[in-house]
Amino acid sequence: AQTVTQSQPEMSVQEAETVTLSCTYDTSESDYYLFWYKQPPSRQMILVIRQEAYKQQNATENRFSVNFQKAAKSFSLKISDSQLGDAAMYFCAYKGQGGSEKLVFGKGTKLTVNP
Amino acid sequence: EADIYQTPRYLVIGTGKKITLECSQTMGHDKMYWYQQDPGMELHLIHYSYGVNSTEKGDLSSESTVSRIRTEHFPLTLESARPSHTSQYLCASSELWDSTDTQYFGPGTRLTVL
Repeated sequence: AQTVTQSQPEMSVQEAETVTLSCTYDTSESDYYLFWYKQPPSRQMILVIRQEAYKQQNATENRFSVNFQKAAKSFSLKISDSQLGDAAMYFCAYKGQGGSEKLVFGKGTKLTVNP
Repeated sequence: EADIYQTPRYLVIGTGKKITLECSQTMGHDKMYWYQQDPGMELHLIHYSYGVNSTEKGDLSSESTVSRIRTEHFPLTLESARPSHTSQYLCASSELWDSTDTQYFGPGTRLTVL
């Protein structure tokens, strides 16, 4: 079964600085999808960014970008110019290619942004 | 605006009561999900549905039940609430034909059973 590991239970960053959240996963599949979700203290889970495994180019969404290393099964999230509103739980998730497969979540990383 | 809604947002109830947590979406999605989020924030899939009249159990055993009579509506019911059911419940939806299965979440219901 696929597993997703987020090795950093908590991280902190100074406002305007850059922070990288780590995520590794275990799979034997070659095609799959990876996601980063953000859950602010208000608790609504929001999609931050997603990556298709067949794409070599790293996905970017404004200040959010990923470093996707397929061979290493690593999918880190970089947040540039951190803002107070970035403070949240961040979840890494994996989805296999099969239509019946479910989203597998990591345990999350709590990000604190210090003013 | 297309969205996913959950009611109530907060519920405090006594042991033994029957409760239904509501989830509805205007996204036009076929697939819907219920997750239980424990105090450590870990997410556990408890139910999902591919469409009307389809319901499946998730990875975490749950005493709750679900129904899917309408595409946009996916309520979760606890016949007899217990303190062990105290948790955050998140509803989500995704498009059946989206190969990425990107899920969109509702705001959640925080349930406390006394």
